[in-house]
Amino acid sequence: DVKVTQSSRYLVKRTGEKVFLECVQDMDHENMFWYRQDPGLGLRLIYFSYDVKMKEKGDIPEGYSVSREKKERFSLILESASTNQTSMYLCASSPIAGGETQYFGPGTRLLVL
Amino acid sequence: EDQVTQSPEALRLQEGESSSLNCSYTVSGLRGLFWYRQDPGKGPEFLFTLYSAGEEKEKERLKATLTKKESFLHITAPKPEDSATYLCAVQAGGNTPLVFGKGTRLSVIA
Repeated sequence: DVKVTQSSRYLVKRTGEKVFLECVQDMDHENMFWYRQDPGLGLRLIYFSYDVKMKEKGDIPEGYSVSREKKERFSLILESASTNQTSMYLCASSPIAGGETQYFGPGTRLLVL
Repeated sequence: EDQVTQSPEALRLQEGESSSLNCSYTVSGLRGLFWYRQDPGKGPEFLFTLYSAGEEKEKERLKATLTKKESFLHITAPKPEDSATYLCAVQAGGNTPLVFGKGTRLSVIA
């Protein structure tokens, strides 16, 4: 079974803090993705990576950065958290370049005060 | 621009009342269409992948079908545990990320 884990289920941070969200997959997938999900807006792609040390901007990269130093780990970084970054963050991975079936983690619900 | 539109936004069914969810898409060269189920507060769970028009896949009370412009998720004799948000996504040809619809929120009442 594919397993994607995220470091926290719930997180509360203050405005201006630097926030790290970690994602780990155990199936040797090449591709990894970060989304945020908000009511009425659906899933929006923030960043993705097709290989170690590679990253591509998604639809809403502003205010975020990512790091992929190892194949199994993809980190999302909020450089200076703001209240409009309060959201559900979802990580996903997939086995081959170009997408194929994506498998999602349980999500991190982030509240920025 | 690749687009996915799901309808209805919300659907309320009585237990045992069969229905269908719709996913309309416009994409330049479909590589795959994906259905996911998402329970509140959790990550989406993969259900089906369809690759070509005419293809059908089934899992328990769910059946997904695909045409050149849309996909349907048919739910036969639903139970309360089928209540969830169902997401549809497409992948265009080439190395492109999935494009997701906004989902249909299904409620099945006992």
